[in-house]
Amino acid sequence: KNEVEQSPQNLTAQEGEFITINCSYSVGISALHWLQQHPGGGIVSLFMLSSGKKKHGRLIATINIQEKHSSLHITASHPRDSAVYICAVPNTGNQFYFGTGTSLTVIP
Amino acid sequence: SQTIHQWPATLVQPVGSPLSLECTVEGTSNPNLYWYRQAAGRGLQLLFYSVGIGQISSEVPQNLSASRPQDRQFILSSKKLLLSDSGFYLCAWTLGAGELFFGEGSRLTVL
Repeated sequence: KNEVEQSPQNLTAQEGEFITINCSYSVGISALHWLQQHPGGGIVSLFMLSSGKKKHGRLIATINIQEKHSSLHITASHPRDSAVYICAVPNTGNQFYFGTGTSLTVIP
Repeated sequence: SQTIHQWPATLVQPVGSPLSLECTVEGTSNPNLYWYRQAAGRGLQLLFYSVGIGQISSEVPQNLSASRPQDRQFILSSKKLLLSDSGFYLCAWTLGAGELFFGEGSRLTVL
């Protein structure tokens, strides 16, 4: 069993739709990271959160520590949001467990 | 502000040739440094990580090696590349339990 599970694996949406990507984890954590990778590109950190909710522009990340679950929401989605979104949590040994990623395609 | 640089961005190498990828971090001290590989359509595989100068931990036995000659410099090397070494290599850093930052990546094709 993977320590971090993401769903869905693939997601296609129409421009303007509200999008939710889910991440569940099985280990105790100090914080959870949401990352974004555009096709052929590097990885960008979107959020690091340990409780509650954070918002950057149209992106919102929430976390429920008791349920070991986090969600990434994108409001008013745009084709430029098309990317792979990756959830990551640290382990006790200076390393990270990564989800397998959610590939999002937003169609104009 | 902190930045991370990784180079070269792209390289094509013949089987059996050496490899050197370099990563430097600016604007911070004593970061944890990581080398990851991402095969096409796959997730991130941790290759090496370092918590200090000269301290390298290897996660995957293979023909790659890493070195940290300076606090903010992390180098990935190979003496003889294999076809299976092709992939997208990413350097990353954190400070303790802080945010995780990645370099721009190096795309290696071994022919």
